[in-house]
Amino acid sequence: NFMLTQPHSVSESPGKTVTISCTRSSGSIASNYVQWYQQRPGSSPTTVIYEDNQRPSGVPDRFSGSIDSSSNSASLTISGLKTEDEADYYCQSFDINNRVFGGGTKLTVL
Amino acid sequence: QVQLVESGGGVVQPGRSLRLSCAVSGFSFINYGMHWVRQAPGKGLEWVAIISYDGSTEYYGDSVKGRFAISRDNSKNTLYLQMNSLRPEDTAVYYCGKGWKYVDYWGQGTLVTVSS
Repeated sequence: NFMLTQPHSVSESPGKTVTISCTRSSGSIASNYVQWYQQRPGSSPTTVIYEDNQRPSGVPDRFSGSIDSSSNSASLTISGLKTEDEADYYCQSFDINNRVFGGGTKLTVL
Repeated sequence: QVQLVESGGGVVQPGRSLRLSCAVSGFSFINYGMHWVRQAPGKGLEWVAIISYDGSTEYYGDSVKGRFAISRDNSKNTLYLQMNSLRPEDTAVYYCGKGWKYVDYWGQGTLVTVSS
């Protein structure tokens, strides 16, 4: 089984851009899609990126996803930060019989 | 619209059993795989189990393998999680989710507390 490692926390000011990384421990990051979930305090998670870089309807284009094979990592980038973006963010990927979540990153918008 | 509603959570003693349900609406249940994902208090998300659209394939996370069983009743649009030999470390909010490789819709969760 592989692991996904995220920074514990990041912070940035409103209007700025932040990037959250997600590094896969073994196997290629490009071999299976990466998803990103947002979880606001007291709420269920919601999907903000699926299949590496696809946005569900209703998710603003300020959210974007990418993968980098050289660092074996995925990234979630949020531009034009708003206070409502303050939340926990989780990456997730899979292999044949396993679904794996990263440990989560707390985004503070201050 | 897509709705997933979990139920069945509560307080249970260590070693006992509990069955969770997830009633779905707003999509064709029979066509989709379904997940259970849990979140211990103050902790991150942990994938628990997945079942294929027809119930023929199941996979489990290492921490629940051999104790938990996922199932579904496509005639009732309902997903289940049978949890046996419960441990204090199983205390968590349990979410059901629609999807196979990932979750695209999540329920609101049901809290399971394992305590004597």
